[in-house]
Amino acid sequence: NAGVMQNPRHLVRRRGQEARLRCSPMKGHSHVYWYRQLPEEGLKFMVYLQKENIIDESGMPKERFSAEFPKEGPSILRIQQVVRGDSAAYFCASSPGNTIYFGEGSWLTVV
Amino acid sequence: AQRVTQPEKLLSVFKGAPVELKCNYSYSGSPELFWYVQYSRQRLQLLLRHISRESIKGFTADLNKGETSFHLKKPFAQEEDSAMYYCALRWDGSARQLTFGSGTQLTVLP
Repeated sequence: NAGVMQNPRHLVRRRGQEARLRCSPMKGHSHVYWYRQLPEEGLKFMVYLQKENIIDESGMPKERFSAEFPKEGPSILRIQQVVRGDSAAYFCASSPGNTIYFGEGSWLTVV
Repeated sequence: AQRVTQPEKLLSVFKGAPVELKCNYSYSGSPELFWYVQYSRQRLQLLLRHISRESIKGFTADLNKGETSFHLKKPFAQEEDSAMYYCALRWDGSARQLTFGSGTQLTVLP
């Protein structure tokens, strides 16, 4: 089992562009979580998804951010019209239902 | 609302010294508590959870419901323990996400 796979590991975007971060959960895991780690801060929950369903998006900013976990393929966190404040590490995690396993993160830099 | 507090942002100890990373939580129900470790720019790894009451890499943590604490301890710190440590809580709500503290950066000096 390859673990939770995230790509890209590093992404640079100019202000106003779109950023797409992908997450492939561990085999057999149907729960996916996204967390954001801002510089000098801890991890903040963003969204919890199961296949084709958003279960809890209470941590997602109201605008520009969206997430999906389609029936086939990876989960995608999409950030539209990025701003400098979106620069952060974005961690995906997956779970078969109990223990949560994290990916290595995607570092987004907005210039 | 549930909250996890790690009062120390930075902690330095010498190799061989005891180390304690503090974690306090606020939640009125029965939480599950976890410690995660993150080595430099790597994935978070589960270190401990209070349910299993195990010791990993010499670390232990005891849930103290009276003091609402889940401090992480190790009697003799090693240089390879230098990392970021996160305390996390999972509450018995409908969703199963973790609430994290802000983390403590532990540096073990030679």
